[in-house]
Amino acid sequence: ETGVTQTPRHLVMGMTNKKSLKCEQHLGHNAMYWYKQSAKKPLELMFVYNFKEQTENNSVPSRFSPECPNSSHLFLHLHTLQPEDSALYLCASSLRGGRGTGELFFGEGSRLTVL
Amino acid sequence: QKEVEQNSGPLSVPEGAIASLNCTYSDRGSQSFFWYRQYSGKSPELIMFIYSNGDKEDGRFTAQLNKASQYVSLLIRDSQPSDSATYLCAVGISGGYNKLIFGAGTRLAVHP
Repeated sequence: ETGVTQTPRHLVMGMTNKKSLKCEQHLGHNAMYWYKQSAKKPLELMFVYNFKEQTENNSVPSRFSPECPNSSHLFLHLHTLQPEDSALYLCASSLRGGRGTGELFFGEGSRLTVL
Repeated sequence: QKEVEQNSGPLSVPEGAIASLNCTYSDRGSQSFFWYRQYSGKSPELIMFIYSNGDKEDGRFTAQLNKASQYVSLLIRDSQPSDSATYLCAVGISGGYNKLIFGAGTRLAVHP
């Protein structure tokens, strides 16, 4: 199994739909992240969870709702999205504490298209 | 607004040459610095990290850090076509636990 698994890999949704992205890590890490990657823009940090607790919400609109039921699973619930939300959504994990926090292991991403 | 700046490229180098990738950052309190490589259609993967001023070597890769100038670079010696990718500079933000700010990346093309 790969270290960080994301599903679905591709998602097309209308602006009124509700969908969820799922991420699972098998690395024994205790920090998980959602990043957004749009064309020609830097990776944008959205949310950080440490030991299931949200420690960072980078001014993300409420139409994105994260959930972290345990240290291995992370969800991103999506509702009433806008076309400009179309992007690659990357999940990552790391060890919390010390310098290991910078070593992020990324999943393959979920490519989201909002029509 | 804390920022990380990179030249978007593409940086084109011949096979066997040294590729030099540069990055500047705005947060003077940053203490940790990372280089990630992202192949087209793939997710980023960590290739180097550096915390102290000076050089750090790992195989064909050398990371260089100058905190006074707020400058980080990555040298790739003996460049190979397989090194063709986008290289992302990331900086750990002071006072922001677990928080990395990424640059937009430099696209490197190594031609035979």
